[in-house]
Amino acid sequence: KAGVTQTPRYLIKTRGQQVTLSCSPISGHRSVSWYQQTPGQGLQFLFEYFSETQRNKGNFPGRFSGRQFSNSRSEMNVSTLELGDSALYLCASSLGAGGPQEQFFGPGTRLTVL
Amino acid sequence: GENVEQHPSTLSVQEGDSAVIKCTYSDSASNYFPWYKQELGKGPQLIIDIRSNVGEKKDQRIAVTLNKTAKHFSLHITETQPEDSAVYFCAASLRDYKLSFGAGTTVTVRA
Repeated sequence: KAGVTQTPRYLIKTRGQQVTLSCSPISGHRSVSWYQQTPGQGLQFLFEYFSETQRNKGNFPGRFSGRQFSNSRSEMNVSTLELGDSALYLCASSLGAGGPQEQFFGPGTRLTVL
Repeated sequence: GENVEQHPSTLSVQEGDSAVIKCTYSDSASNYFPWYKQELGKGPQLIIDIRSNVGEKKDQRIAVTLNKTAKHFSLHITETQPEDSAVYFCAASLRDYKLSFGAGTTVTVRA
């Protein structure tokens, strides 16, 4: 099976702009979670989608949003970018039912905000 | 929410020796504990996991132990090899599918 894919792999934006990142989960997986990874804060949970619905949300401002499509692909959007949004954004997919289970991560999108 | 602490932050071992990383968690309702390995430029890779109804799990050179009473779990790597050099993360999950991660341990295996 193909793994989790994320596009683009690298992005450079300026403050105030917005950005959309994409994640394609492993075939058959219905849950997609998003994480932000920074040297200072480590890996932090953004949100999780299951069957096109946001099921869980972390403690990030409303500038961070996401959605999931009927084919389980997911996008996350960050509006009004700030310098502190520079990070590696990771998505992870899992089957999504039956309780916590293995989450498989993609390679991430490296976002740099100038 | 869940809070996971991980120690040590860095670990240097001689090739062939064992490496041990320890984590504690705060919420006694957590029931799933995965460990991830992250190499430079890559996403975290699941290497082993354990559920709260199991005390120990082993997969070749890697083992994880869980002490629910003390709320801590540990990763043991035996006969370390240079390819084991990476950053290792522990995590804990409640029933809500959200993973709370430790801060990570940078493991260096000296040849």
